[in-house]
Amino acid sequence: GQNIDQPTEMTATEGAIVQINCTYQTSGFNGLFWYQQHAGEAPTFLSYNVLDGLEEKGRFSSFLSRSKGYSYLLLKELQMKDSASYLCAVINSNYQLIWGAGTKLIIKP
Amino acid sequence: ETGVTQTPRHLVMGMTNKKSLKCEQHLGHNAMYWYKQSAKKPLELMFVYNFKEQTENNSVPSRFSPECPNSSHLFLHLHTLQPEDSALYLCASSQDSTSGPSYEQYFGPGTRLTVT
Repeated sequence: GQNIDQPTEMTATEGAIVQINCTYQTSGFNGLFWYQQHAGEAPTFLSYNVLDGLEEKGRFSSFLSRSKGYSYLLLKELQMKDSASYLCAVINSNYQLIWGAGTKLIIKP
Repeated sequence: ETGVTQTPRHLVMGMTNKKSLKCEQHLGHNAMYWYKQSAKKPLELMFVYNFKEQTENNSVPSRFSPECPNSSHLFLHLHTLQPEDSALYLCASSQDSTSGPSYEQYFGPGTRLTVT
């Protein structure tokens, strides 16, 4: 089968750094997405990785290791508005998008 | 505002009712998707339309019936639903869903469906 694993919930402090991990087992690999979803809202695109390494975009960075089937999303200088669910999704060899269940991130003052 | 709208935002229906969910995208995309999102579960892809043709149906019960009259509009017709069908139904669009470059999907805000 195909699956994506990510922690169900994480808690972090405002101003700190948090890393959300995602491991995947899929039939082939054509890229990995991270989406952010605030409660009651639509998921919105954060990042896309297809090659190994780190992609930085402001306070958010995403890392990929294809050999390890592993990615992480790094959030720096956390703000209260970063409280949301973070969804990891992998494109397999059939260009199907396989989704993780999401990680709920709680930011405390 | 992602360029994808969904109506209604909330829907409560009985098991014998018939209702429809509507999705519209203003992004010029060619692919549209219906997803079901239940608490603490991965997004479940239900249907994919590419250039108005259905390209994917992930073993969805026949009580869910999609319709795509053109590349900008997508409907999900509901009838004789079960309480376990209560969930958030998300519509998304992308440039393409077939092989080739992997395009990000743009999501609508969803319809919160409760079946009583």
